[in-house]
Amino acid sequence: AQKVTQAQTEISVVEKEDVTLDCVYETRDTTYYLFWYKQPPSGELVFLIRRNSFDEQNEISGRYSWNFQKSTSSFNFTITASQVVDSAVYFCALKTNAGKSTFGDGTTLTVKP
Amino acid sequence: DAGVIQSPRHEVTEMGQEVTLRCKPISGHDYLFWYRQTMMRGLELLIYFNNNVPIDDSGMPEDRFSAKMPNASFSTLKIQPSEPRDSAVYFCASSYREGTGELFFGEGSRLTVL
Repeated sequence: AQKVTQAQTEISVVEKEDVTLDCVYETRDTTYYLFWYKQPPSGELVFLIRRNSFDEQNEISGRYSWNFQKSTSSFNFTITASQVVDSAVYFCALKTNAGKSTFGDGTTLTVKP
Repeated sequence: DAGVIQSPRHEVTEMGQEVTLRCKPISGHDYLFWYRQTMMRGLELLIYFNNNVPIDDSGMPEDRFSAKMPNASFSTLKIQPSEPRDSAVYFCASSYREGTGELFFGEGSRLTVL
C-alpha cells in the first residue's frame, strides 16, 4: 500500500520568511516517483516538480528547493523568501509504475504581507 | 497547446438529477484521470484510462457513477442519480507517461447537489 503524509495542515508565515513543507511517503516499490503540486486560491492544480526514486539529488528552482532523502522517506519542499503569491495549498504525491498517484492531504500555506 | 479543458466549471443541480461532466485532455496524452476533491476526503482518484480503455475504476464510489472515453480527445463522468454527498470539485487530468509522468489538471468542475 502507498501512503503520503503531510503532517502540517496549515502554515502561516510573514513575507520573506523561509518555509519548509514536509512530506513523508510509504511504498514497497523500489521504483517510484514523487511530485509536488500547487493549488492556488483559483483552484487549479499545478505541477511543480517530479523526482524518481533513483535520483536523490536535491533540486533548486529559483526560490524553490526540494530535499529528497530515501533514508527517511521524505521529500521536503522549501520556499525561500516567501511571497504573498506563494499562498496556496501544496500537495505531495507518490506514483509507482502501477500508475496511480497517491496524494497527501495537502498543506495550506498562508504568506502574510 | 491548450491545457486540459473541463466543462461545466460550475453545476448546481437537485438531488436525483443526472449530471454529466466533460473533459478534453491535452492532445497526445494517452492517460486520462478523473479525481474528486472534498474537504473531508481530499483528492481521490475515481478512474483512469489508458488509450481510451478504463484501467482502474476501483475508486468509483458507487454504481451511480460511470465514466467513458469514446475517443482520445473526450471523456465524460456521469452521475445518475445525483445525491448531495456527491457535491465536490471534480478534476480531470491527463498525462503522457503513466508511471513517471506528472499530471496536467483541468480547472475542475464544481458540483453542488441540493
